[in-house]
Amino acid sequence: NAGVTQTPKFQVLKTGQSMTLQCAQDMNHNSMYWYRQDPGMGLRLIYYSASEGTTDKGEVPNGYNVSRLNKREFSLRLESAAPSQTSVYFCASSEGAVLNTEAFFGQGTRLTVV
Amino acid sequence: AQKITQTQPGMFVQEKEAVTLDCTYDTSDQSYGLFWYKQPSSGEMIFLIYQGSYDEQNATEGRYSLNFQKARKSANLVISASQLGDSAMYFCAMREIYGGSQGNLIFGKGTKLSVKP
Repeated sequence: NAGVTQTPKFQVLKTGQSMTLQCAQDMNHNSMYWYRQDPGMGLRLIYYSASEGTTDKGEVPNGYNVSRLNKREFSLRLESAAPSQTSVYFCASSEGAVLNTEAFFGQGTRLTVV
Repeated sequence: AQKITQTQPGMFVQEKEAVTLDCTYDTSDQSYGLFWYKQPSSGEMIFLIYQGSYDEQNATEGRYSLNFQKARKSANLVISASQLGDSAMYFCAMREIYGGSQGNLIFGKGTKLSVKP
């Protein structure tokens, strides 16, 4: 009963390095999301994918790219990491933009950019 | 303007007492959903309770209840009989179908609840 699986759990990058955060869900959900969590800021939406083959920008997309590889997988890429991208990243999924469907979250990735 | 406002950055409550965590929201939609999530120190996000805008009764889930006042646009979480394990961050969130958030969950900044023994 895995739900939403994110990898890695922790990562330290040097400024300018690139990396991809992986996310997979096994609940056959249509919608997937990437959020970042910073102290005092709550969770802010980076990108989302309403269905396989579509992606859209959220509130804070600058510096990130995403790929909805298939229905299960939604990856987040940092092409050139900056210290401002130090954060905890959460992947989430839900059945869709249906009113009463909650989002299920992965365990989070704690990223530090030095 | 913030869509979700949680005005209490931190709250303390005595074990076994009830506590109310405040949440106000801003939307012009008639159809929307309100959610509360718990984030313990281990970091995972745990869904607690849901209230739909057309639900006539306040939602309840065990010790959690949602005090929904539609005219005031508030959706406060009430935790009864607090336990030490309730110490965590609590986030209020909203989903609109037709609003600018395009069906995505929009979160407030959270309230950190500490339960004292």
